[in-house]
Amino acid sequence: QLQLQESGPGLVKPSETLSLNCTVSGDSLNSDNYYWGWIRQPPGKGLEWIASISYSGSASYNPSLKSRVTISVDTSKNQFSLKVKSVTAADTAVYYCARPLSPFRGSGRLVGPMDVWGQGTTVAVSS
Amino acid sequence: YDLTQPPSVSVSPGQTATITCSGHKLGDKFVSWYQKRPGQSPLLIIYEDFKRPSGIPERFSGSNSGNTATLTVSGTQAMDEADYFCQAWDGYTEFFGGGTKLTVL
Repeated sequence: QLQLQESGPGLVKPSETLSLNCTVSGDSLNSDNYYWGWIRQPPGKGLEWIASISYSGSASYNPSLKSRVTISVDTSKNQFSLKVKSVTAADTAVYYCARPLSPFRGSGRLVGPMDVWGQGTTVAVSS
Repeated sequence: YDLTQPPSVSVSPGQTATITCSGHKLGDKFVSWYQKRPGQSPLLIIYEDFKRPSGIPERFSGSNSGNTATLTVSGTQAMDEADYFCQAWDGYTEFFGGGTKLTVL
């Protein structure tokens, strides 16, 4: 059974870089051409898609965050990661990693509906 | 691209709840819906406007036309009390609605 597990520090200081990992178990990241992604939910607010990446390293970013965000993949560890630089209180959120329902087949939508999610990790930005 | 949802919807047990998601020409896009309970991860309940993933009860249904997508919960149960989010793609970015809190009174 496919499982995703987020990991990372629960507290980050303003202006520093937030780093998160998502470890995949029960399947291989490169079993098919999925765009594995990061989504966050700030307290009391809605969901926000951050970025997604394929096992080959092809990435797609939310334009509103693209200047501060880097997504990467390490197939040897069956893991993908997220870095958010220059964080502020507005980056305080529960961060989820997720896998889409369908792999990308070469054209159109890269991500789409996501049916497998990690449990989420809470990140607070505070001094 | 903005997806607008009502902040809250209330329903009596056994009745039908309707949650809307509005966006420009949303009917031309595929819409997904998620259920999110406090402290839990989002659960995909509808994709491609009306399709249900395996294991999702038939009381959850969806439609999409014009500028509005609709999630309908028939025979609402207490366990359906949760936040519901719609999702769509504008050709580059995945967007979510602000969420609707469904209260079962």
